[in-house]
Amino acid sequence: GQQLNQSPQSMFIQEGEDVSMNCTSSSIFNTWLWYKQDPGEGPVLLIALYKAGELTSNGRLTAQFGITRKDSFLNISASIPSDVGIYFCAGLFKAAGNKLTFGGGTRVLVKP
Amino acid sequence: DAGVTQSPTHLIKTRGQQVTLRCSPKSGHDTVSWYQQALGQGPQFIFQYYEEEERQRGNFPDRFSGHQFPNYSSELNVNALLLGDSALYLCASSLAASGQETQYFGPGTRLLVL
Repeated sequence: GQQLNQSPQSMFIQEGEDVSMNCTSSSIFNTWLWYKQDPGEGPVLLIALYKAGELTSNGRLTAQFGITRKDSFLNISASIPSDVGIYFCAGLFKAAGNKLTFGGGTRVLVKP
Repeated sequence: DAGVTQSPTHLIKTRGQQVTLRCSPKSGHDTVSWYQQALGQGPQFIFQYYEEEERQRGNFPDRFSGHQFPNYSSELNVNALLLGDSALYLCASSLAASGQETQYFGPGTRLLVL
């Protein structure tokens, strides 16, 4: 079945830094979604990407749908303390149904 | 605009018992998907309901069943609970006619099986 490899697994941020994370797959997707999940809560949609090559921003967040349709990245610019949390990528391939396949998550922590 | 709601927020059961979790979709949505999220992992797809029928199912045993009502709300039932069923159960809703099927999640139900 389809699997998503998300990296890095965790990262430390210092306020003001730019951070980047990505997801890769062995198979193609029609849609890439990026979610943020805080402890004890459900994932919150950050950015949705529907077309290969698409670059979309949401405030300080920017995400791109890779042209091969097998990867996506998320950038956070000028990070702030509330950016701490777990970020998940998720892919959807319509021919395989409407289920989302999730990556393992990137845990963003504050640098001590 | 009401988002996705789930009940209860937390639940404790013992092995062998049965549990029912409930979900109301975001206003205007007609499709409900259920996911299981174990601690430290990404959500895993259980099944999806559309027009009161199971449209797609993930790799979960028959102990997991569901239902969708005419008002689009949904239930997830788990029979003969096992310790390994302890997880956060997430409901997500979407609009089939949108063609994009972007899914919005509820806060989840935390199930602990003892």
